[in-house]
Amino acid sequence: AQSVTQPDIHITVSEGASLELRCNYSYGATPYLFWYVQSPGQGLQLLLKYFSGDTLVQGIKGFEAEFKRSQSSFNLRKPSVHWSDAAEYFCAVASSNTGKLIFGQGTTLQVKP
Amino acid sequence: NAGVTQTPKFRVLKTGQSMTLLCAQDMNHEYMYWYRQDPGMGLRLIHYSVGEGTTAKGEVPDGYNVSRLKKQNFLLGLESAAPSQTSVYFCASSYSSGTSETQYFGPGTRLLVL
Repeated sequence: AQSVTQPDIHITVSEGASLELRCNYSYGATPYLFWYVQSPGQGLQLLLKYFSGDTLVQGIKGFEAEFKRSQSSFNLRKPSVHWSDAAEYFCAVASSNTGKLIFGQGTTLQVKP
Repeated sequence: NAGVTQTPKFRVLKTGQSMTLLCAQDMNHEYMYWYRQDPGMGLRLIHYSVGEGTTAKGEVPDGYNVSRLKKQNFLLGLESAAPSQTSVYFCASSYSSGTSETQYFGPGTRLLVL
């Protein structure tokens, strides 16, 4: 069965430090992968997505993610975190049959001044 | 262009009461989805619709019903609310069901069932 695991429930980084959020997926074929961000009290906003081609994907707000098939991972990175990046981040995989999204549990990012 | 809107933003129900959550989108999207979000569990799909007049069950459909009478609206109903349905509900829409399609989310409805 398809699944997504985000091993880190909560991460705290200092403003200006680099960030990496982990995402591991279980999927039989080529996965279609997404990262969404949810600011407090808001809906989800797409940061980036991968479905083919270059394994390093650029997104909005300075985020990028790298697809590594050998590790079944799609980790999200940002070189320098801003206080406004504090939010909850969700990794998701799309079912090839239906296009439905399967979400990970989410990682809450706290940014220290 | 409002995108995806949800009504109401917040509601408190007593056990056994009924209510309907409304989702509206103005992007002419074919597909619409209802999710619930619970701490530590991410988002789980309740029901979805692939077009006007059609609905289908998702991962956690029990206790909910949906209707898609108009393309732009997707209603989620709770006939007899239970405390286990306390959650944040999100509606989303997409142009199609393609695996690379982006889903656009509404701001959410917080529901508390006492």
